Amino acid sequence: TQLLEQSPQFLSIQEGENLTVYCNSSSVFSSLQWYRQEPGEGPVLLVTVVTGGEVKKLKRLTFQFGDARKDSSLHITAAQPGDTGLYLCAGEERDDKIIFGKGTRLHILP
Amino acid sequence: DTGVSQNPRHKITKRGQNVTFRCDPISEHNRLYWYRQTLGQGPEFLTYFQNEAQLEKSRLLSDRFSAERPKGSFSTLEIQRTEQGDSAMYLCASSPSYTIYFGEGSWLTVV
Repeated sequence: TQLLEQSPQFLSIQEGENLTVYCNSSSVFSSLQWYRQEPGEGPVLLVTVVTGGEVKKLKRLTFQFGDARKDSSLHITAAQPGDTGLYLCAGEERDDKIIFGKGTRLHILP
Repeated sequence: DTGVSQNPRHKITKRGQNVTFRCDPISEHNRLYWYRQTLGQGPEFLTYFQNEAQLEKSRLLSDRFSAERPKGSFSTLEIQRTEQGDSAMYLCASSPSYTIYFGEGSWLTVV
């Protein structure tokens, strides 16, 4: 089983600032997803990236899949309090099993 | 609503009792996953199915845990002789390919 390391574990920044969170592995994934989770609810899919080097944008969020498909990043521009939550990355292994990192807990201060 | 449905949403049980959770996946999704999540942690893989076949069960699961998907549609996760350490949110997800869609989870509290 491959492991996904997310960093930082916690991040607290002021509204309007930019931030980047990372998801790293020593192994290759077939695809990688990013989720956002609110307390007491299931994770909600933000994006799926499949191709090495792929970049996807979702409003103020930019997702990148590493060229070697071992890592990914999520960049948020001009963070807002509504961005507060737990951000999870998940990788699909070759046998279709999907594993998660431990998450980055993001808190945006108004 | 055609999303993943989990029941019950909340369960409080006494230590030693058995509990069963049900998951109804999105129609025609052939893959179904179970995860366990504790506060502040990411979802921890438990097991998954391709149609009715259980493909892998985490080594973290003791023999007290069993999951079934008898007709390749809904799934059940049973925990026998519950322990306080089993308290967590149990998440079900389904997938047509590489993207999984979660239910809202079933909270278990063992007292």
